[in-house]
Amino acid sequence: EVQLVESGGGLVQPGGSLRLSCAASGFSFTTYWMDWVRQAPGKGLEWVANINQDGRVKYYLDSVRGRFTISRDNAGNSLYLQLNTLTSEDTAVYFCTRQLDYWGQGVLVTVSS
Amino acid sequence: DIQMTQSPSSLSASVGDRVTITCRASQGIRGDLGWYQQTPGKAPKALIYGASRLHPGVPSRFSGSGSGTEYTLTISSLQPEDFATYYCAQYNSYPRTFGPGTKVHI
Repeated sequence: EVQLVESGGGLVQPGGSLRLSCAASGFSFTTYWMDWVRQAPGKGLEWVANINQDGRVKYYLDSVRGRFTISRDNAGNSLYLQLNTLTSEDTAVYFCTRQLDYWGQGVLVTVSS
Repeated sequence: DIQMTQSPSSLSASVGDRVTITCRASQGIRGDLGWYQQTPGKAPKALIYGASRLHPGVPSRFSGSGSGTEYTLTISSLQPEDFATYYCAQYNSYPRTFGPGTKVHI
């Protein structure tokens, strides 16, 4: 069974940083691209970033490029998202997904003073 | 960026109804389209990929079709657990983009 479990969310002040983690299991992690998608409270889904199988190719949403960094640890079957210079616009539930076909339960990031 | 629109934005239906949701892309996406179901407080669940292929474990009452810029999701006989919000998403180019969602309610 494919499982994706996010952690690392929480309350952070504007300008602050946070690192999200996603533990993957139940599939061959090194075979798949991995994505992060977010959902602001009461809003729709917004793709954030993705990373290829060996971690060398990464794509970002324009509004997060330069502030967020996606990475992966294939030995540990883990996906990460480093969030820097956070603003209130980044407040959302962040979902880890396997190529948009399997999704984690999400982790809430709240940016507020 | 490819813009995705959905119609209707919401619809009222009854158990047993046939429901169709339309998704349009601002440019051709060559069938690189998925459909997702989300209930309140839950993660999205993939229903369809490649415009018409059923994700494993998804009931056969769900079907997808379309090509080019226009795609549809059909639920042949609405069940109580199908009342949810449905999103389409294109993965033909970056950034991946989602439609605004269609809420199916009683």
